[in-house]
Amino acid sequence: GESVGLHLPTLSVQEGDNSIINCAYSNSASDYFIWYKQESGKGPQFIIDIRSNMDKRQGQRVTVLLNKTVKHLSLQIAATQPGDSAVYFCAENYGPGSARQLTFGSGTQLTVLP
Amino acid sequence: KAGVTQTPRYLIKTRGQQVTLSCSPISGHRSVSWYQQTPGQGLQFLFEYFSETQRNKGNFPGRFSGRQFSNSRSEMNVSTLELGDSALYLCASSLNGDSYNSPLHFGNGTRLTVT
Repeated sequence: GESVGLHLPTLSVQEGDNSIINCAYSNSASDYFIWYKQESGKGPQFIIDIRSNMDKRQGQRVTVLLNKTVKHLSLQIAATQPGDSAVYFCAENYGPGSARQLTFGSGTQLTVLP
Repeated sequence: KAGVTQTPRYLIKTRGQQVTLSCSPISGHRSVSWYQQTPGQGLQFLFEYFSETQRNKGNFPGRFSGRQFSNSRSEMNVSTLELGDSALYLCASSLNGDSYNSPLHFGNGTRLTVT
């Protein structure tokens, strides 16, 4: 089946810099995308989502960009902080009506350097 | 509002045994989904329940099963455990399973080790 994949398995950034985490998806029928953050020993935590009728959505310090032409999703974190260190997953959502399920990417480990 | 609660946090079982994991969703959430997380395969969808009915199922063998109770609490069962079943099992709840209006909220998982 089709799957969501990430371009980079690891990313290191300096504290205070901006981070960009990329994700490629392959299912053109996917119409909803979500970014999750997973810290060690915890379950994934919802960060931000975007529907396919949008190309940009902003949250608190985070922005998600969606490029449907090239099936690419990115998460931008402004002024990265030590607490942002975690694994970040993108997920795509598709399915008829209420029978939806998430397909997750392999994850990117973000490390914030002091 | 309390989050998704999974019990137990850790389990150690031997091959051939069976195991039952429990999940209490966020109050008011009627949809519960289960995912398996391993280093090699990442997060994989197991199944989703809504109003005590399984609505969607992933590509896992029949040894993996689940159920949902009238109070939306859910259990998943794995029979005849294999070494490859060692994983973090995550439960997630949402209001109605329609992700547009209610994203999944995950618990912290049950870490299952099969020896």
